[in-house]
Amino acid sequence: QKEVEQDPGPLSVPEGAIVSLNCTYSNSAFQYFMWYRQYSRKGPELLMYTYSSGNKEDGRFTAQVDKSSKYISLFIRDSQPSDSATYLCAMSPNAGGTSYGKLTFGQGTILTVHP
Amino acid sequence: GAVVSQHPSRVICKSGTSVKIECRSLDFQATTMFWYRQFPKKSLMLMATSNEGSKATYEQGVEKDKFLINHASLTLSTLTVTSAHPEDSSFYICSARAGLAGPQETQYFGPGTRLLVL
Repeated sequence: QKEVEQDPGPLSVPEGAIVSLNCTYSNSAFQYFMWYRQYSRKGPELLMYTYSSGNKEDGRFTAQVDKSSKYISLFIRDSQPSDSATYLCAMSPNAGGTSYGKLTFGQGTILTVHP
Repeated sequence: GAVVSQHPSRVICKSGTSVKIECRSLDFQATTMFWYRQFPKKSLMLMATSNEGSKATYEQGVEKDKFLINHASLTLSTLTVTSAHPEDSSFYICSARAGLAGPQETQYFGPGTRLLVL
């Protein structure tokens, strides 16, 4: 079993739709949760960063973390064609120790928003 | 803020040659940089963790003599692929941890370097 599971998709939605992206994980030590967006042939761009459980909103993006279920989500409201990209979830354990700062990534979900 | 650059963006080389890739944090100091490898439609695979002024820590299965990492300053890390072979062809991405400039665990990624070994 992979430490982080993410449905690779592809996911295709019409413009204006609400997109829901999800990851599950097995390592209870993960405390920091991130979502990255990666356009084709480019490096990942940090979208959202969350520490521990809860919700965080930034414009059209909302990140949710449910540590009890080991489940994180990213919601995109009013999706736009420019949101078409691969979305990667990433996680990291507490600071300290040899795992400090190392990210474990999901496989990435390919999203296409069509006009 | 938190911009990371990589150079070159693309390189084509002959089998047996060595290739150096630079990773720079442009507007912050990065005590730690990370090197990843990404295959088409696959996620990022961490190769090594690079700490300024000390030896890099390599992930299991990554040959340290093949992938030489030098983190000479707080804004520059280099990855040298030695005696490159076609199977080394890949997309190499670096990241830098912002440390005091941002959330401690946040990594900012460079745009990547596409290596093609003929």
